[in-house]
Amino acid sequence: NAGVTQTPKFQVLKTGQSMTLQCAQDMNHNSMYWYRQDPGMGLRLIYYSASEGTTDKGEVPNGYNVSRLNKREFSLRLESAAPSQTSVYFCASSEGGGRGVFGPGTRLTVL
Amino acid sequence: EDQVTQSPEALRLQEGESSSLNCSYTVSGLRGLFWYRQDPGKGPEFLFTLYSAGEEKEKERLKATLTKKESFLHITAPKPEDSATYLCAVQADSNYQLIWGAGTKLIIKP
Repeated sequence: NAGVTQTPKFQVLKTGQSMTLQCAQDMNHNSMYWYRQDPGMGLRLIYYSASEGTTDKGEVPNGYNVSRLNKREFSLRLESAAPSQTSVYFCASSEGGGRGVFGPGTRLTVL
Repeated sequence: EDQVTQSPEALRLQEGESSSLNCSYTVSGLRGLFWYRQDPGKGPEFLFTLYSAGEEKEKERLKATLTKKESFLHITAPKPEDSATYLCAVQADSNYQLIWGAGTKLIIKP
């Protein structure tokens, strides 16, 4: 029982490059989320998926896209990375309430 | 506007010195308030959910309480392993999304 897994753990990109962050959960949760965490700020929701087949924008969706591939997997794509997207990205899953299980995070630097 | 403010930003205590962390919130109808713990380099870990004013939850040296405007996380006789950042989040009746505070970094010195 791995919980929530994220890959990669670390990534360095140049401005304009693209990449996909992968997330998978093995708890049969319906809802999955992508957050970013920046120093001195609370977690900010980028996108979420309330159930398989649905996705919705969160507080800061600009510059990102997501795919809910199946019930287990939820990926986040940066099409053209910008320095402002340097952050730590967390994937989480839940049964729909605020009691979530978080992954270990991806530390992304955009030069 | 829904908002969550945590104070202090950082708190340094001696081992065994009890204290409290504050989470003030403004929300139009509270569905739930959540406390999480985050260790350096890791994702947040769920601690408690509180739903209504007057409710209390306990886990080891931690006790969370809730009023209509704020929540407190009381830590009794803390140990160095309690050092972490503690995050508070609220969920409003009108919005599925969680609103997060910036966290309180707690350091317990032996």
